Amino acid sequence: AQSVSQHNHHVILSEAASLELGCNYSYGGTVNLFWYVQYPGQHLQLLLKYFSGDPLVKGIKGFEAEFIKSKFSFNLRKPSVQWSDTAEYFCAVNSGDMRFGAGTRLTVKP
Amino acid sequence: GAGVSQSPRYKVAKRGQDVALRCDPISGHVSLFWYQQALGQGPEFLTYFQNEAQLDKSGLPSDRFFAERPEGSVSTLKIQRTQQEDSAVYLCASSLSELGTGANYGYTFGSGTRLTVV
Repeated sequence: AQSVSQHNHHVILSEAASLELGCNYSYGGTVNLFWYVQYPGQHLQLLLKYFSGDPLVKGIKGFEAEFIKSKFSFNLRKPSVQWSDTAEYFCAVNSGDMRFGAGTRLTVKP
Repeated sequence: GAGVSQSPRYKVAKRGQDVALRCDPISGHVSLFWYQQALGQGPEFLTYFQNEAQLDKSGLPSDRFFAERPEGSVSTLKIQRTQQEDSAVYLCASSLSELGTGANYGYTFGSGTRLTVV
């Protein structure tokens, strides 16, 4: 069965630090990959998605992710985080229906 | 409407009580999904509708959980004889595309219903 692993449960950074959140999935077929963000008290919002083509995907708010097929990974990055990036981040894989990772809580200290 | 609407936002139920959670998807969205999100966890798939047809209910945790979408738009998730372990946020999402068609527009999520069973 397909699964999604997010290895970092809670990440704490200072403003302007660089961010990389790991995401690995286990599925051998064609997949669509997503990162969602959930700000405190709000609903899940799409940050970015990969379907095909350039494996480096740029999303909203300066986020990007790189699909590395050989590593079954889709890590999320941002060069310089802001306090407003404090949120929960979920990686998701869709090869039929959407399956989510357990999430990574990001706390950015001002 | 402009987004996926869920009601109520919060529900407190006594153990053993039946509850019904409502989801209004985006108009015209073919696919509708229900997820359960326990505290500190990612959303877990419950069930999927394509129009009025419930094509996948493999994620429903027990026969106390029942979902319907009789006219292919609004959906209701019903939980009978609620238990404390049912306490979670129940998320609804809708999508323009059908599963398996190769077209994937991603999902739009509602704000969820937070169910607390006491």
